[in-house]
Amino acid sequence: DQQVKQNSPSLSVQEGRISILNCDYTNSMFDYFLWYKKYPAEGPTFLISISSIKDKNEDGRFTVFLNKSAKHLSLHIVPSQPGDSAVYFCAASAARGGGNEKLTFGTGTRLTIIP
Amino acid sequence: SQTIHQWPATLVQPVGSPLSLECTVEGTSNPNLYWYRQAAGRGLQLLFYSVGIGQISSEVPQNLSASRPQDRQFILSSKKLLLSDSGFYLCAWSVQARGRGYTFGSGTRLTVV
Repeated sequence: DQQVKQNSPSLSVQEGRISILNCDYTNSMFDYFLWYKKYPAEGPTFLISISSIKDKNEDGRFTVFLNKSAKHLSLHIVPSQPGDSAVYFCAASAARGGGNEKLTFGTGTRLTIIP
Repeated sequence: SQTIHQWPATLVQPVGSPLSLECTVEGTSNPNLYWYRQAAGRGLQLLFYSVGIGQISSEVPQNLSASRPQDRQFILSSKKLLLSDSGFYLCAWSVQARGRGYTFGSGTRLTVV
């Protein structure tokens, strides 16, 4: 059962325009959501997160929006730059005892920025 | 500052051979440690996690095992590799705080031939 879904395996966006990456989840117990960026042959790097008590979090060119009623979140990148070309993973976690945060990842979306 | 080391970067092993991948973390104590695998065309699958020395939780039944002999050392092993064990293996650590996510190592590309 895929609890975190990224239905678009790939996305191409013109440089300077907005990139919007989408993610859906099914587990209503998830209360933190994160986005990671991954280049080939490297480990993913953390981009931005949002708590379920918020509906928006912004960090520079990156903004994450959360719609709890729709169980949907999105990552907006404005303006898109060539260095943003990578695979983006959505992840979610639910509160657990003992301080152990286990992340459930989506399958990723490959973003290509066209110069 | 905290750093995570994972080696080797690439590995080609024959079917039936053993495996040992090592991961160490510096600059923190009592981290949560994780092993993930990314198979070709798929997302990140959690294999094992550990909240302390000798404490290992397995997420999926498989041909692999994990051990944590020291606080900041996490080892992924197999006695006999299968072709299906090929993939990109990632070690990660996290602090005991919500929403901070993981810090991943650089990964090991394992090809079983």
